[in-house]
Amino acid sequence: DTGVSQNPRHKITKRGQNVTFRCDPISEHNRLYWYRQTLGQGPEFLTYFQNEAQLEKSRLLSDRFSAERPKGSFSTLEIQRTEQGDSAMYLCASTRTGNYEQYFGPGTRLTVT
Amino acid sequence: ILNVEQSPQSLHVQEGDSTNFTCSFPSSNFYALHWYRWETAKSPEALFVMTLNGDEKKKGRISATLNTKEGYSYLYIKGSQPEDSATYLCAFISPGAQKLVFGQGTRLTINP
Repeated sequence: DTGVSQNPRHKITKRGQNVTFRCDPISEHNRLYWYRQTLGQGPEFLTYFQNEAQLEKSRLLSDRFSAERPKGSFSTLEIQRTEQGDSAMYLCASTRTGNYEQYFGPGTRLTVT
Repeated sequence: ILNVEQSPQSLHVQEGDSTNFTCSFPSSNFYALHWYRWETAKSPEALFVMTLNGDEKKKGRISATLNTKEGYSYLYIKGSQPEDSATYLCAFISPGAQKLVFGQGTRLTINP
């Protein structure tokens, strides 16, 4: 399967712990996006990369969040000192420059207890 | 702040019935509107990308229309089947922007 993959699919962690999620985009896609969906809401934009450069970050991305895409391929999203409000579905999407459509992965569901 | 609204938030439909739901978005500063279908435990799947006022797109029993002047899009499902049960998301994108701005989704359940 050559779609977008995300790992892990589920993560349960205790408040205050750090977590890291990984996204592997479709191989020829140079743009990669992170979104977050909380209960009852649509996905909200967090950040996006073009190749290895992080070009935009949402105000939602507090100092506890950091995203990287070191070689312009896979990306990681780390949350430090997790809070209960971080519980959400974290979605990754990828596309090529000039293409309207974003292709999504299945998401990582984070539960902070 | 861009506001994308979907209605209704949830919908229960009998198998075989047809249904439709709405996405409203800012009519100014429009570039494209996306519709996605998101089944539980799967990836959101793109249904349509619509860019032109008056656009109508169709995929099997599902179709969509777009009115950019008044800022709305309708999604229609004809002859609903159990496999149509999913959350349907619309997402707006403005010129020069890279991010999708999503509505809260319409959760559709088809009752056999």
